[in-house]
Amino acid sequence: EDKVVQSPLSLVVHEGDTVTLNCSYEVTNFRSLLWYKQEKKAPTFLFMLTSSGIEKKSGRLSSILDKKELFSILNITATQTGDSAVYLCAVQGAQKLVFGQGTRLTINP
Amino acid sequence: NAGVTQTPKFQVLKTGQSMTLQCAQDMNHEYMSWYRQDPGMGLRLIHYSVGAGITDQGEVPNGYNVSRSTTEDFPLRLLSAAPSQTSVYFCASSPNRPSGWQPQHFGDGTRLSIL
Repeated sequence: EDKVVQSPLSLVVHEGDTVTLNCSYEVTNFRSLLWYKQEKKAPTFLFMLTSSGIEKKSGRLSSILDKKELFSILNITATQTGDSAVYLCAVQGAQKLVFGQGTRLTINP
Repeated sequence: NAGVTQTPKFQVLKTGQSMTLQCAQDMNHEYMSWYRQDPGMGLRLIHYSVGAGITDQGEVPNGYNVSRSTTEDFPLRLLSAAPSQTSVYFCASSPNRPSGWQPQHFGDGTRLSIL
């Protein structure tokens, strides 16, 4: 059975801290791993990773994939209160996108 | 360009009632899917479609039907609503290209309560 597991499930930090969110997976016919940010409504796309060891970066956010060890991390540096959200990891298999439970990140001022 | 449009945004049903959640996209995407999101459980795939006339089951299909008569529309039908179907429902779409999958675009969701 395909499985995506995120950790931690919840994280509370102070503004300015750096955080690392984890995602491990077991999905047949792996195509890509995606990170989404979900605030009040629909998930919004952050990154799509297909190759091991190549960091994707967007401002203070970065992510990397390890296809040998079957995991990915999402880093956020110099966190801001606007980074508070649920971060979802999803893995695309042959036909389906399988989501993890999400990590709820709270940034306190 | 509206993207993925879901209607209604909110709905309250009584147990045993039936209803259809609507999803439409104007991006000519071939792949469409329905998810439900429950607290602490991420998104779970209900049904998906890789093109008009083709649908398949996801992780939690029981109690739901879908059809895909056009590229644009992918309605989700609850046949006989049960309290366990209280959830937030998301529709998503993406291009389906031979070169690889593209990120899915999500609608804003339908919050459904079954009493």
